[in-house]
Parts: sequence; structure tokens; C-alpha cells
Amino acid sequence: EVQLLESGGGLVQPGGSLRLSCAASGFTFSSYAMSWVRQAPGKGLEWVSALSDDADSTYHADSVKGRFTISRDNSRNTLYLQMNTLRAEDTAVYFCAKAYSSGYVFFDSWGQGTLVTVSS
Amino acid sequence: DIQMTQSPSTLSASVGDRVTLTCRASQSISSWLAWYQQKPGRAPKLLIYKASRLESGVPSRFSGSGSGTEFTLTISSLQPDDFATYYCQQYDTYYTFGQGTKLEIK
Repeated sequence: EVQLLESGGGLVQPGGSLRLSCAASGFTFSSYAMSWVRQAPGKGLEWVSALSDDADSTYHADSVKGRFTISRDNSRNTLYLQMNTLRAEDTAVYFCAKAYSSGYVFFDSWGQGTLVTVSS
Repeated sequence: DIQMTQSPSTLSASVGDRVTLTCRASQSISSWLAWYQQKPGRAPKLLIYKASRLESGVPSRFSGSGSGTEFTLTISSLQPDDFATYYCQQYDTYYTFGQGTKLEIK
């Protein structure tokens, strides 16, 4: 059974940094592209960042480009999101999501999410 | 960037109704479209991919159609468990989600 467990969320001041982790199990982590998707309170889903199976290519939404970095450690079956220069509008539940294949396709499994609150 | 627009934003319906949700893309995405169901406090769940392919384990009352820029998700006979928010997502060029359709009980 595929399991994705996010951690690292919490309260951070504007301008601060936070690193999210997503521990994966139940599948061959190194064979799949992965993404982070967020959901602000009471709002819809917003794709944030994607990373290829071999970590050679990354993509970020314009809203986070230059501030967020997605990475992975295939030896630890873990996905990361380094978030810098955080803003109030980054407040959201952050989900990690597994792509159906090694390519950038739909997400067939999601974690339960971790809440990031940016506030002074 | 590809924009996705869902309609309606909210839909009120009754158990047993047949409902259709619409998703429009700002440019052609071929059939690179997925539908997800989300309940409050839960992660999204994949229902449909490649516009019309039913994910394993999803009830057959769910169906998807369309290509290019116009897509629909149909629930043939609403069940109590179906009241939720539904999102479409394009994966032709990176990813974009629609703003969601909340399906509520009439």
C-alpha cells in the first residue's frame, strides 16, 4: 500500500524558512515523479512544485519560483520542499503527491498534508 | 499558462440525481485531464484520468468525457458519499487545477 507522510509544518514568521518532508513507502520511490500541492484555508488546490524521478529536472509555480526548492533523496525515500522568504499568502496545507509514472502526469496517491502558517 | 475553469462553483442536488460538472481549459490539452474528489479535512482522491479512464476502485457511476478544451464529469446516480468538492486538473503542461465545484445536498 502506498503511503506518503508529510512533516515539518508549523508556525513561521514572514520572511522565515521551513523545510517540509514527505516520507514514502509501499512503492519504488525512485521510479516516480513527485509533486507538492497546497491548499490555503477554505480555498482550492494549487500545484507548487514537481520533480522528476531522478531529480534531474524540477518545476515550480510562478508564485513560489526563486523562493521554494523541491528535492528528493531516493536512498531515504523522502521528498523535500525547502521554503524560504515565506509570505502570509503561503499559509496552506501542503500535500505531497505521487505521479502515476516517471513523467509529469496525474497524481494517483496523496499524503494527508501538513499545515504551514505564516504569521507574526 | 493554461487556465482551468470549472462550472458551476456550487451545485445542489439530491440523492439519486444525475449530475454533470464542467471543466474548460484555456487552450487545448488533448485528453490530459484528471478529476479528483475531496472531502473536508481529507486529501484529494483520484477519480478519472486521461479525461475518461476510471481509476481502479472508483464506482462506475462516475464517468468522464471530453477532449481539447471541454470536459465533463458525470455522476449517474448520486449517493450520500458523493457530496464533496470536485477538481479538474490539466497535466498537458506542468499542472493546473480548476477552482473546484462543491456538490451539496439539496
